[in-house]
Amino acid sequence: AQSVAQPEDQVNVAEGNPLTVKCTYSVSGNPYLFWYVQYPNRGLQFLLKYITGDNLVKGSYGFEAEFNKSQTSFHLKKPSALVSDSALYFCAVRGTNSGGYQKVTFGTGTKLQVIP
Amino acid sequence: ETGVTQTPRHLVMGMTNKKSLKCEQHLGHNAMYWYKQSAKKPLELMFVYNFKEQTENNSVPSRFSPECPNSSHLFLHLHTLQPEDSALYLCASSQDEYPGTSGYEQYFGPGTRLTVT
Repeated sequence: AQSVAQPEDQVNVAEGNPLTVKCTYSVSGNPYLFWYVQYPNRGLQFLLKYITGDNLVKGSYGFEAEFNKSQTSFHLKKPSALVSDSALYFCAVRGTNSGGYQKVTFGTGTKLQVIP
Repeated sequence: ETGVTQTPRHLVMGMTNKKSLKCEQHLGHNAMYWYKQSAKKPLELMFVYNFKEQTENNSVPSRFSPECPNSSHLFLHLHTLQPEDSALYLCASSQDEYPGTSGYEQYFGPGTRLTVT
């Protein structure tokens, strides 16, 4: 069974500092990996995804993520945090085993708090 | 906005009521999803429809009944719910949904905050 782990319930970072939100996964076959962000009283919003190719993926609002196959990780990063980045971040994974249906599995979410 | 709308945004219902949640997507997508989001729990996939056909029912109790009349509309019919069903119900859509091979991202609506009293 596939799974996603976001080991930190909350990450606090000072405005202007780099941020990292961690994600590790377990899946059969090659993974499709996604990051979503959720602002209060809103649905999830797609940030970026890794399908194949370059391990460093760039997405919306200056976010990027690095796929590391050996460590089965897909950490979300941003060089300089903004207060407006404060939100709930979800990592998601989908296996590519074509032998059966592989639904998308979401992590439990990490709350990012950027401190002015 | 993401191109996915949900109504109502808030719903309070008693355990004996019948109500429906509505979702509409304006993105030309072929797959639609219902998720349940509860505090401190992972997002739970409930149902998946691809080209109007249900492709996934994630062991959801029968008091939740989905309906997908076309690729743009998705309903969730609710009856005799329990207090533990109180949650945020999210609808999403994506380009399509092929088992194990679809790498398309999902676009979410704002959700319906459901409270069962």
